[in-house]
Amino acid sequence: KAGVTQTPRYLIKTRGQQVTLSCSPISGHRSVSWYQQTPGQGLQFLFEYFSETQRNKGNFPGRFSGRQFSNSRSEMNVSTLELGDSALYLCASSLDGGQNYGYTFGSGTRLTVV
Amino acid sequence: QQQVKQSPQSLIVQKGGISIINCAYENTAFDYFPWYQQFPGKGPALLIAIRPDVSEKKEGRFTISFNKSAKQFSLHIMDSQPGDSATYFCAAGGGWGKFQFGAGTQVVVTP
Repeated sequence: KAGVTQTPRYLIKTRGQQVTLSCSPISGHRSVSWYQQTPGQGLQFLFEYFSETQRNKGNFPGRFSGRQFSNSRSEMNVSTLELGDSALYLCASSLDGGQNYGYTFGSGTRLTVV
Repeated sequence: QQQVKQSPQSLIVQKGGISIINCAYENTAFDYFPWYQQFPGKGPALLIAIRPDVSEKKEGRFTISFNKSAKQFSLHIMDSQPGDSATYFCAAGGGWGKFQFGAGTQVVVTP
């Protein structure tokens, strides 16, 4: 059974640029959540999608956006990158938003903004 | 704003010892409390989870203790092994796909 696949694994971008990260969830999982992980803030919830609809959103600025496709694959986009956006971005796949069986996380995309 | 407070930030335990990590939450609407284990270069992996109608849950060497009135829960790792060296996160959730995570505890098990 394939796990959660996130691409790319590493990314270096310049301030002001935009970036798109991709996540392929476990087959059959229709819920995809995104988290930002930093040493100082831990894991912070970005947003959650289920069947192409955003169900929940965290407290991040509008520069952070996402979408989900009909095959459950999800992308998140960060526009006008800032140095503080440097982080590990984790995608979490689940059947039900993690409420009964928890999440299966990908290995993340390490974004460095210079 | 950390709604789930986790302590300690790090701990060192000898092989065979007990590791204890504590978490406290504020929102009484939370009804699912998982613990995740994360190794360097990997995403967190679900370890064990509990609901507030149960005071304790055990899976192998890992036990969650839950105190609903105190709004606290803890992870006990019995007979700690070097392979348990990792960062552990508690989490609390009360609605689809939106969890509050603790800041993490780095556990080091010495041989």
